[in-house]
Amino acid sequence: GAGVSQSPRYKVAKRGQDVALRCDPISGHVSLFWYQQALGQGPEFLTYFQNEAQLDKSGLPSDRFFAERPEGSVSTLKIQRTQQEDSAVYLCASSLAARGQETQYFGPGTRLLVL
Amino acid sequence: KNEVEQSPQNLTAQEGEFITINCSYSVGISALHWLQQHPGGGIVSLFMLSSGKKKHGRLIATINIQEKHSSLHITASHPRDSAVYICAVRKGAQKLVFGQGTRLTINP
Repeated sequence: GAGVSQSPRYKVAKRGQDVALRCDPISGHVSLFWYQQALGQGPEFLTYFQNEAQLDKSGLPSDRFFAERPEGSVSTLKIQRTQQEDSAVYLCASSLAARGQETQYFGPGTRLLVL
Repeated sequence: KNEVEQSPQNLTAQEGEFITINCSYSVGISALHWLQQHPGGGIVSLFMLSSGKKKHGRLIATINIQEKHSSLHITASHPRDSAVYICAVRKGAQKLVFGQGTRLTINP
């Protein structure tokens, strides 16, 4: 595709429900990132994949958050037993290579609201 | 204190004005990014800097590594420039740390 796509664009969940957020990076991009953006704040790093390997998950706020990229392309961010504080926009970004100096291309985000 | 601080948080100006948004950081970095975010969430990368100055159209970004400071300038501002501008620094190989953003509104 032309850019990074994410689905769903909007998700309303009841507290305690599990959710799965999908990211389709730009074809051929090696690196994939997940960020969480609370209302009125800048994004915060959650986790990073290089191909299928999750090299950094230091930003995941709790063990309720889990991310995978099993074939090195599409990634899923799963949140178990959602809480109200999980309400945020979840952004995915990809970059072409694994080198440090690469532009990241962002998806439109998934807006999650936990009631 | 946040590792990346932006100022101002909000900026309103008239069409045609010269705009400056500032970013200061407190950590060692390998690169600094300026990003633009429109309502609805889409983020576009404007610049990636590790030294000096870059220009793209009406946008200019500068960085002073010694002072740990960067500025984003917009010349001849236009209402379509209205957006949130975010400064982000790259720590280590890949991880980005973001500022809180500057909300820019350009009135016609």
